[in-house]
Amino acid sequence: AQKVTQAQTEISVVEKEDVTLDCVYETRDTTYYLFWYKQPPSGELVFLIRRNSFDEQNEISGRYSWNFQKSTSSFNFTITASQVVDSAVYFCALSEASGTSYDKVIFGPGTSLSVIP
Amino acid sequence: EPEVTQTPSHQVTQMGQEVILRCVPISNHLYFYWYRQILGQKVEFLVSFYNNEISEKSEIFDDQFSVERPDGSNFTLKIRSTKLEDSAMYFCASSGATGDGTDTQYFGPGTRLTVL
Repeated sequence: AQKVTQAQTEISVVEKEDVTLDCVYETRDTTYYLFWYKQPPSGELVFLIRRNSFDEQNEISGRYSWNFQKSTSSFNFTITASQVVDSAVYFCALSEASGTSYDKVIFGPGTSLSVIP
Repeated sequence: EPEVTQTPSHQVTQMGQEVILRCVPISNHLYFYWYRQILGQKVEFLVSFYNNEISEKSEIFDDQFSVERPDGSNFTLKIRSTKLEDSAMYFCASSGATGDGTDTQYFGPGTRLTVL
């Protein structure tokens, strides 16, 4: 069964601190995709990144970086030098590429990040 | 940049009334989805739609729900007789050609449904 766990419900950091959001997933498939979405207070879901299960290279995009480790089934997200605009709920998500599931996305419960000025 | 749009942004209805939530997916996408997020909770899959039929639905998507692609651009979610527990944010999403997980789903801004 698919499952995504985000153990941190809420995190508060002071502006310019680095922060890591944890994500652990469960799947029986060997081919799957992992995502991070950001949900700002306005409510929309903003796509941040997608990784496939065969690509364990870490990725950096500006202040954002992602650490994918299959051995621990984790896909953690780090924000470097956090800013107030980073305040949002962040969802980790999983999609299995079984060919029959039409890639529904299973979301984790989310981590609410507050960046304090 | 192409985006998914949804109307209305906020819908208030009385319990027992029918509501239709509308979505315009990205124009060259072939797979369409509805998700629901009850306030303060995680986003949950409702239904996927391809080639004018439902591909998969969750246990939430009971007989009160239906989806339709009435023309080449719109994708709708209908709730026949709304209940208080249907109050939530409803997100439409669409993805590209393969439908096997290789295409990212792009989400619309959501419709907040309030059932009184």
